[in-house]
Amino acid sequence: NAGVTQTPKFQVLKTGQSMTLQCAQDMNHNSMYWYRQDPGMGLRLIYYSASEGTTDKGEVPNGYNVSRLNKREFSLRLESAAPSQTSVYFCASSRGQGADEQFFGPGTRLTVL
Amino acid sequence: KQEVTQIPAALSVPEGENLVLNCSFTDSAIYNLQWFRQDPGKGLTSLLLIQSSQREQTSGRLNASLDKSSGRSTLYIAASQPGDSATYLCAEHSGTYKYIFGTGTRLKVLA
Repeated sequence: NAGVTQTPKFQVLKTGQSMTLQCAQDMNHNSMYWYRQDPGMGLRLIYYSASEGTTDKGEVPNGYNVSRLNKREFSLRLESAAPSQTSVYFCASSRGQGADEQFFGPGTRLTVL
Repeated sequence: KQEVTQIPAALSVPEGENLVLNCSFTDSAIYNLQWFRQDPGKGLTSLLLIQSSQREQTSGRLNASLDKSSGRSTLYIAASQPGDSATYLCAEHSGTYKYIFGTGTRLKVLA
C-alpha cells in the first residue's frame, strides 16, 4: 500500500521555466491538498480539491495552477517559475468532509535559480 | 487570523525522560487537531488525531490532549528514545478544508 506518492523527488528549474508536480493516492480518498513548506513559515496550503472535479484556492495560490485529473491524482503546475517558489512541496489526502486525518506524501524539493 | 503556536521551537532531553510538547491555537471553534512527526528531509507522518468532542487520544507511548477552552493541545511522550528525535508539528482544523499548521518543535533525545 503506497499511500500518497509524489514525483519528482528533486527538481532544479531556471527562472521562467514551467513544470508539473505529480501526486497520486491509493487510499480512495476524496480530498487532496498541495502545501509548501518554508523554513520558519510552517506548511501553507496552496490549493485543495474537496472532491473529484472541484478545486479551490488556499492561502498562497499565486503562481500556481492545479488539476484534479481523477479521484487518485492531483497535479500542481508552475507556469513560470520564480526564485520565491523555491520550497519543499507536499501533497496530502484525506477521506473527505474536510475534517479527517490527513496523510502526506514524501515531498518534492524544488529549487528555482 | 487563525494562528497555531508551538513552544519551544527546539528541545533536547536525555533518553528515558518523559516530555510534553505544547501547541496553542486561537480558534475556539476547532473541529479537530492533528499531531505529526517529520524526520529530516521526509514527509509528515500522522501520529494522533483528536476530534473536538474528545479530550485525549493515545497511541503507544504517545498521548495527546485537547482543551478547547484554553486553546491548547499537548503531546506527551513517555520514556523518550533517541528514535523519537524529529520535528513534531500540530495542525488545527476549524471547519473548512484548511488546516493551520504550527512551525513545529524540533526534539532531540540524547543517548
